[in-house]
Formats: sequence, C-alpha cells, structure tokens
Amino acid sequence: SAVISQKPSRDICQRGTSLTIQCQVDSQVTMMFWYRQQPGQSLTLIATANQGSEATYESGFVIDKFPISRPNLTFSTLTVSNMSPEDSSIYLCSVVGARSTDTQYFGPGTRLTVL
Amino acid sequence: AQTVTQSQPEMSVQEAETVTLSCTYDTSESDYYLFWYKQPPSRQMILVIRQEAYKQQNATENRFSVNFQKAAKSFSLKISDSQLGDAAMYFCAYRSSAYSGAGSYQLTFGKGTKLSVIP
Repeated sequence: SAVISQKPSRDICQRGTSLTIQCQVDSQVTMMFWYRQQPGQSLTLIATANQGSEATYESGFVIDKFPISRPNLTFSTLTVSNMSPEDSSIYLCSVVGARSTDTQYFGPGTRLTVL
Repeated sequence: AQTVTQSQPEMSVQEAETVTLSCTYDTSESDYYLFWYKQPPSRQMILVIRQEAYKQQNATENRFSVNFQKAAKSFSLKISDSQLGDAAMYFCAYRSSAYSGAGSYQLTFGKGTKLSVIP
C-alpha cells in the first residue's frame, strides 16, 4: 500500500482564520479524497481531489469553505476557511492506488481544534 | 443509497478471547466491496480486512476473519486471540464496484464500534 503523510498532524487555531492541510503520497495514485471525522463520529466524505481540475464536492460541502488543490498525482491540499469551533474535527486524506483500485488507504489524519 | 449499520457502539473482550463485531448494510447492488477499518487512539485508519461480494469464501487475515452473509446483508468481523493492541474503534464500510466516475469509489461508513480489551 502507499505511504501517506499529512501535515500538520494537529493544530489549534483561532476562529475566523484558515488552515491548509497537506497530503503527500509516496507513489502516484489514481484518486485522492478528503474526509472529515467530527468528535466521536464516523467519517464523512468532503470531496474528491481531481488532478488538474476542480474538486468534486459532496452534498453539504462547498468550495468556498473547503478549497482543495491537487497539482499532481502525489499531492493534495485541503484548506479549512474562516474557521469556527464547529470545524473542530480530524481531517483525513485517503487514496486509491494505481495498482489496486478497490481499496482506500488513509493518511494519519490532522486533528484541528478551533477556539 | 447504501447504508451501513453497526448496532454495537461498544464491546469488550478479555485478552486471548474471541469477539465478534456486527455490521449490516443495505444495498440494491449485486456487486460491491466491504471493508473493516481499525482506528486506534492514534487516529490512523488501518485496513483490517476486505471482502468482494462476488466471492463466497469468507476473507481471513491472520487473527481476523469475516462472516459474510450476502443474502442477509451481514458482514461481521471475528477477532480471535484478542490482544491489547486490538483495542480501537472499528468501522465497517461499503463501496460499490460499479464504475461511475469518482463517486463509485466513495466509502459509506458505519458509526463504529469501540472495542476494549481487558487484560
């Protein structure tokens, strides 16, 4: 499976500010996704990061709030904009590999706390 | 839309014993994938085991095995010889195998079962 890293691993931010989370994979992957896991909850898909084009957002998530970039096949960023305490969550990057397209592997996650 | 239900919010097991975590799902599709992921306190989501719906044989990975009942739409996880390191949240997840663009890779997760292992 691919090795996935995320930066930062955790952060504490003030409301109204923005944070950009990076996801780096050690090999080219077919698909990259961003999930949110609110405290004590399961995972919810935010969007699919498309290489070279705009991300595909799920219902309830918008580009102005969660802009996403994917400049190449190994890297993506998720920005959480104009943060509020309700954005306090774990944000996880996941990938579907070039070799195995049926299984998603996850990064270590970024724990975000908004004060 | 597919749904995944994990009816046990919490479970506990004695070390070295066996425990079974339940998962049911609802789908109108005939071909799909099912997964169990483990999330320890470190929050890393780790793939435990996966099952292709077209395979009748239950998947096994060392101490982990599943009981896949396609007609009943049930996908339980059995952990044998439980170890302290097995303590974690366990999530059952469903994925369609029908290719329809990016959405076909979407995982639908259950709410999770918190497993505690008692020394």
